[in-house]
This record gives sequence, structure tokens and C-alpha cells, in this order.
Amino acid sequence: EADIYQTPRYLVIGTGKKITLECSQTMGHDKMYWYQQDPGMELHLIHYSYGVNSTEKGDLSSESTVSRIRTEHFPLTLESARPSHTSQYLCASSERSSTGELFFGEGSRLTVL
Amino acid sequence: AQSVAQPEDQVNVAEGNPLTVKCTYSVSGNPYLFWYVQYPNRGLQFLLKYITGDNLVKGSYGFEAEFNKSQTSFHLKKPSAIVSDSALYFCAVREGGGFKTIFGAGTRLFVKA
Repeated sequence: EADIYQTPRYLVIGTGKKITLECSQTMGHDKMYWYQQDPGMELHLIHYSYGVNSTEKGDLSSESTVSRIRTEHFPLTLESARPSHTSQYLCASSERSSTGELFFGEGSRLTVL
Repeated sequence: AQSVAQPEDQVNVAEGNPLTVKCTYSVSGNPYLFWYVQYPNRGLQFLLKYITGDNLVKGSYGFEAEFNKSQTSFHLKKPSAIVSDSALYFCAVREGGGFKTIFGAGTRLFVKA
């Protein structure tokens, strides 16, 4: 069973609020990712990280930002939430090898009113 | 650029019958191919992968997939479906040596008792 955790699982918040979605993994994986997924739809890569102090933007443009100060922690922040940010955010990690599969957290479902 | 196509939005099958969920891919180099399953309000779970070697790979829960290089396909199969197989299935591809994993749009599988 994957040891990757996301909090909160569900969040309902008003427009303009700052939010941080937490993601932690205990597997010592170098690579971490954030995907955005509307319910039952495809996944879009929005951020990824090769390791500590490395962050890159993904294929889908996002107003969110990420940081990677520790190997196990990869939080995502929205400075000012808007209704268009309503979605599910999935965090994942993988081992250093390029052949490794992704391990996903349970997701954070964000609703911005 | 790499891409994945899942031509069926939905697949319906009766319990006990074989199931197939289709996937085709496009990459410049050698493909690393993956199947994941997602249950409602959950993250994705890894099922199986093809990296190299035998074209038929076996994975979790009795699933298997066949890599066909000439047809650039990686269809997911199971000899006998059960009701609890009902879920959303995602095919994914990563170019060999690359970093990004690209997901298909997903196929919803319904298994009827």
C-alpha cells in the first residue's frame, strides 16, 4: 500500500482565500507530481519536482505554486482562490528510476464558492 | 510529443465474461506503458506496467495487458470480469528515460451482475 498522504481530503472555501494543499510521502521518492482532475475526467500535470529545491511547471497552466524544501513534502498553494480552481488535486510520487510507476494520494477535492 | 488515446468512454460487460479496455499510444522513443484504476473519490492505483521483455504482462486483481509495438497498443484484459471491477481505468505512457507520465482520458468500466 502506498504511503502518500494528502490533506485536506475535502475543502470548501470562499473566493479570494489563500489555500495550501499538503502532500507527504514516506517512501523516500525523489520525484513528486501534482495532477489536476475534474471528477471522472482525465488527469493534467500541473507541477513536478525532481528533488529538493527543484520544481517545474507541467503541461496545464496553473495559477498555483509549489515548493520542495524537504524530500517528503510537496505542498501546493493558491494565493487567491477562484471558482475556476474548483477541481480535484492529486499528488503522486515515484522512485528515481524512469521505469517506476506513480504512487498516488487519495486526492484533495477543492470547491471555491 | 507523447500521447495516449482511449477510444471508448465506457465499456459494459456482464459478470463472468472477458473484458478488454483499449489503449493506443504515441511516443518518439521506447514506450513505458502503465494501467491505473480509480474508484470513486479515491486516488489512482497502479495495476501493471510494460517496460521491456515479454509482450504480455500480468498485474493486480487478475488483469493483464498485451503490448503490440506494430499497432502501438496496450490493451487491458481480464478473462472473467467481476462486479467489483467496475471503476475508471486510465492508460498512461512515459517515453523511455523521460520524466513525464501522460494519461489517457479514461474508460469507465461497468460490470453487470
